[in-house]
Amino acid sequence: QSVLTQPPSASGAPGQRVTIPCSGSSSNIGSNYVYWYQQVPGTAPKLLVYKSDQRPSGVPDRFSGSKSGTSASLAISGLRSEDEADYYCAAWDDSLIGPVFGGGTKLTVL
Amino acid sequence: QVQLQESGPGLVKPSQTLSLTCRVSGGSINSGNYYWSWIRQPAGKGLEWIGHIYSSGSAKYNPSLKSRVTILVDTSKTQFSLKLSSVTAADTAIYYCARNSDSSGYRPHFDYWGRGTLVTVSS
Repeated sequence: QSVLTQPPSASGAPGQRVTIPCSGSSSNIGSNYVYWYQQVPGTAPKLLVYKSDQRPSGVPDRFSGSKSGTSASLAISGLRSEDEADYYCAAWDDSLIGPVFGGGTKLTVL
Repeated sequence: QVQLQESGPGLVKPSQTLSLTCRVSGGSINSGNYYWSWIRQPAGKGLEWIGHIYSSGSAKYNPSLKSRVTILVDTSKTQFSLKLSSVTAADTAIYYCARNSDSSGYRPHFDYWGRGTLVTVSS
């Protein structure tokens, strides 16, 4: 049972926009930044979004993050086949005194 | 370009100690405000932060693993290590080392990762 809650799966057709939600609490998302990672099967996670809505250099602007209250979301527009991967949200948790992750959402591009 | 590479036994017996090393190349462990981290992922499951260490040797651990974990840094060898004692089958996972570039170490800003190494706990 992960501290941050994500749906196990999401899907969309090429070119469409898909949103992946991440739900937490006041001790994590509610009071700290959210980070998003993309993990293609068999590879290490890759940082996609930091400080809730910032993109590292090299990450396409098709990926965008947002946060409101104790929830956050990752939006992917102009869906491509190479976006098929697992996506994880993460945040520092003030109660657990450490970073916590969501259970991951497997994105399928139809 | 910073690169991290995990190494260590792929098979550990129950009750024994898991030991892994992460070698850092393309940059110094001493330079910058970075926290050198261990993260694991059981097969088909999510990510779990194990702990991190600063170049000074100051370490912080996941409270759920704290009694069994030790992370050390060897700045002269540009590597850091993980020891997890009294392992059980539940510790079977892919173990990643990663660099956290958040200056406080309090945000999960893991910008460089190793490729991961599978450790199986079995007799």
